[in-house]
Formats: sequence, structure tokens, C-alpha cells
Amino acid sequence: DADVTQTPRNRITKTGKRIMLECSQTKGHDRMYWYRQDPGLGLRLIYYSFDVKDINKGEISDGYSVSRQAQAKFSLSLESAIPNQTALYFCATSDLSTPGDTQYFGPGTRLTVL
Amino acid sequence: AQSVTQPDIHITVSEGASLELRCNYSYGATPYLFWYVQSPGQGLQLLLKYFSGDTLVQGIKGFEAEFKRSQSSFNLRKPSVHWSDAAEYFCAVGAGYGGATNKLIFGTGTLLAVQP
Repeated sequence: DADVTQTPRNRITKTGKRIMLECSQTKGHDRMYWYRQDPGLGLRLIYYSFDVKDINKGEISDGYSVSRQAQAKFSLSLESAIPNQTALYFCATSDLSTPGDTQYFGPGTRLTVL
Repeated sequence: AQSVTQPDIHITVSEGASLELRCNYSYGATPYLFWYVQSPGQGLQLLLKYFSGDTLVQGIKGFEAEFKRSQSSFNLRKPSVHWSDAAEYFCAVGAGYGGATNKLIFGTGTLLAVQP
């Protein structure tokens, strides 16, 4: 089984709808992250969490919110989706105890907002 | 500000040929450097990483990278490319506080195509 899982893998929604993307991990890592990937722009950090009580904004947090329900679960919400939020979304995890705090990525969720 | 530049958006090589993907970074301190690969429809897989010590780092799938502080570079190399290496490659620098890589700054990626 994959260490970092994301659901759904693909989602098509309409403008104005609320949508939640979920991430679960079995790596036992404390830190979790949400990124979005757009063609030609690489990956950009949306939010990150160092533990259940710690949530931090990343580079592009506007229009997004997150919830860290447990050490293993980190959800990303779009309260009112808009077309320019169409992108590939990745969850990642890391553990400061490992050298360099290396991040490990899930398979991604492809979101289309019509 | 920290940044990562991958100057080649798209590269095509013949199967069996050598490969070098360029990565330049801007970071004030000693960086943590990473190369990730994204195969079509897949997530990102860590190829290799550099934190300290030997500047030539070996990774998975026969890849290696060399950290050159004087050139602020961390180029990825492979002596003989296989068709299965066709993918997008991302260089990243860890730019967190206190040595932590809580902030990964990614380059824009290099798309590698392999000709038979």
C-alpha cells in the first residue's frame, strides 16, 4: 500500500462549489504539506502543518483552507471553487528526524473547475 | 529570495545517450538540494538529495548529481538514458529555518523525451 494516499484522484466540479481534497499517510510523519502544480510553474506551496495544532500558510494560500484532523490526515478545502484553481494538487509528508527533512509525495489529485 | 532555475524546459535525447539536466539555485546559506522525477500521471518520486559531505551524490535509477557551490548548481546526470526515463524532472531547494526543509522551492521542471 502507498505511504501517502490522496482522494479523490480526479475531480470535476463547477464554479462556486465547495470541495475537499483528502490526504492520508502511514509514514508516521509529523509534517504535512499541500502543493499545487501548474504547467510551466512547477510546484507551489499552499499550506503546511508541523503537527496537529500547527497550521501555516504557504506561498499561495488565498482561496484555500486546511484541516489537520489527526497526525495522519490533512485535508485541503476550496470554499468556493473558481476556474483558475484547476490544477494538479499534491500532498507531501516529512519528518524532521530524517536527514534534511525530506518530503515524500502522494500521487496527486487532478482538479478541474468548470 | 530563494529561487531555483531550470533553464531547459524541454530536452530530447536518444536512448543510450548521456544526459545532463541543469539546475541553478539562489540561497544564502548551505542549501539542501533535491531532484524529483514525475512520470506521466504519477506523483513525484525522490531521485536523490544533497545535504553535506561528498558533492557527488548517487541516486536511484542510475542518476547522480554534483553540487558546485561556486556555480550555485546542482546538475543531474545519467551516463546512458533508457526509454523509461522519459518524464519531467524537478530540482528543489530546501529553504526552511534552522536547517529544516519545511519550505521546498521548486524549479519549473524539465521535460525529458527519449528517442529510440
